[in-house]
Order: sequence, then C-alpha cells, then structure tokens
Amino acid sequence: AQSVTQLGSHVSVSEGALVLLRCNYSSSVPPYLFWYVQYPNQGLQLLLKYTTGATLVKGINGFEAEFKKSETSFHLTKPSAHMSDAAEYFCAVSFQGAQKLVFGQGTRLTINP
Amino acid sequence: DAGVTQSPTHLIKTRGQHVTLRCSPISGHKSVSWYQQVLGQGPQFIFQYYEKEERGRGNFPDRFSARQFPNYSSELNVNALLLGDSALYLCASSLATDTNTGELFFGEGSRLTVL
Repeated sequence: AQSVTQLGSHVSVSEGALVLLRCNYSSSVPPYLFWYVQYPNQGLQLLLKYTTGATLVKGINGFEAEFKKSETSFHLTKPSAHMSDAAEYFCAVSFQGAQKLVFGQGTRLTINP
Repeated sequence: DAGVTQSPTHLIKTRGQHVTLRCSPISGHKSVSWYQQVLGQGPQFIFQYYEKEERGRGNFPDRFSARQFPNYSSELNVNALLLGDSALYLCASSLATDTNTGELFFGEGSRLTVL
C-alpha cells in the first residue's frame, strides 16, 4: 500500500528565507510524486511532479523538489520565501496506470514579514 | 477557458438526508475524479470516471455513488448523511485516465456541513 507522510503540519518562515517542506513516501512500486498547493477557499493547484528522468524537478513559482529513492523522500524547497507563498501544501504519490493520488495530511506554510 | 466548476459551493444538510454534488470538467477532459477533504487532512480518493465508466473507487461505503454523463459532467451522491460526511468535496478533471500522463485540475470544491 502507498502512503505519504508530511513532517510538520505547520511551518513558519520569514520572508526571504529558505522554504523546506518535507515529504516521505512508502510505495512497493516505482512512485510518481506530486506537490500541490491550496490557497484559502480554492482548489488544489499542481506545483510540480516527478514521473521519470531527472530527479530534480522544477515547478511553478520558484519551487523545486528532489526525488531521493534511497531516502524515500521528495522534499519541496524554495530559496526565498514570498508573502504570496502562504498556503497549504500537499505531497501526493501515485504509480503507473493508477487512477488516484494518495495525499499526505498537508503542511500549512506561514510567511512572517 | 473555464476551469473545473462545482456546485453548490456551500450547503448544509441534516443527518439522514441525501446530497447531490455536481461537477463540470474542463472542456475536452473526459476523466473526472472525486475527493473528500476533511478539515485538517489531505484529500481522499472517492471515485474516478472516464468515458462515463467507473475506473476506480476508494474505500468509501456504498452510501457514496457517482455517475458521469455524456457531456462528461459528473454527479456525486451521498445517502443517509452522517456527521462525519462533513467535508470539502473536490472534483478534478484530466485528459487521461491515469495519473502519470494526466495532470489533475481541481475545482474549488463543495463544502458540505452535516448537522
């Protein structure tokens, strides 16, 4: 069975500081990995995804994530936080041929001025 | 172009009632998925429909049902509502049926409160 664990339900950083949101997964087959962002009262928007190929994936809004198979991790980073990055972030896992995503519980990112 | 649209946006029901939630996918998308997001948790998969056929079902009781219409819009029905059904119900559409080839585009959700 697949599962996703997001370490830290709430992360707070200062504007301009590094953002690091942690995600670890469990999968018995090669995983596909995703990060979604959810702004208040909105649906989820895809930030980036890893399916095959390069393990460092760049997404929208300056975010990137690195797939580390040995650590079963897919942490999300952004070098310099902006106030507009405040939102809920969800890591998700799937695999080839699957019809569904399995989501983590989410991490709420707060940006301090 | 219009994104995924869901209706109603908010609704309040009492225990034992039933509810119908509606979703219109992005034009050209033939796959619709439904997710339940309980407050403070990540979304959980309920159903996926592709070309009007059920292609996947999550671990939800038979009180939950769905269907997809010829125009690819979809309905999610929940019978005999329980307090625990209170959640944000998200609809997502995609071009493809599986997640490695098709990005999911989510609507803003229908927030259901059961009293």
